[in-house]
Amino acid sequence: GQQVMQIPQYQHVQEGEDFTTYCNSSTTLSNIQWYKQRPGGHPVFLIQLVKSGEVKKQKRLTFQFGEAKKNSSLHITATQTTDVGTYFCAGRTNAGKSTFGDGTTLTVKP
Amino acid sequence: EPEVTQTPSHQVTQMGQEVILRCVPISNHLYFYWYRQILGQKVEFLVSFYNNEISEKSEIFDDQFSVERPDGSNFTLKIRSTKLEDSAMYFCASSPWGGNYNEQFFGPGTRLTVL
Repeated sequence: GQQVMQIPQYQHVQEGEDFTTYCNSSTTLSNIQWYKQRPGGHPVFLIQLVKSGEVKKQKRLTFQFGEAKKNSSLHITATQTTDVGTYFCAGRTNAGKSTFGDGTTLTVKP
Repeated sequence: EPEVTQTPSHQVTQMGQEVILRCVPISNHLYFYWYRQILGQKVEFLVSFYNNEISEKSEIFDDQFSVERPDGSNFTLKIRSTKLEDSAMYFCASSPWGGNYNEQFFGPGTRLTVL
């Protein structure tokens, strides 16, 4: 079945440093979504990428979708303590099933 | 701002018992989902539901699981005979549409503990 791998599993940064998490799918995706989950909270939708090679920005967050629609990345510039949480990618196939990656847990040291 | 609600927030049950987890999706949404998250692990897709029928389900969603939309507002997940390994956080989500543009709004979750 479809597998979505995400690295790294954990990332510890100093406030102000950049952060990147990578997502790779074993199959071509229809789209990919990114979610953030705070400790004890529920996943909150961040963005969806649909087009091959698409790049989207939300303030300090930059999302990319690979040309082959099998990989994606989330980059945070100049992290803040409010960025802490686990970031999940979720790959969606044409059949409509979403497969979540294992998540990258970000901690930010002030 | 409209949000997905789930009840109860925490359910404790004995192994072998049936449980029903309830969700009220956002009112004008058409697509509904259940996910589970075992403590410390990733979110796992269980099932998607549209137009009063299951549109997709995962390998986890076996005969012990069922979903229902008994009225115009509730969306339920039933586990017929719970097992210890069913202990997890169960999230309901809804989306205004499907296809390629389907931002999913998650509820706060129900923590299920099977003893």
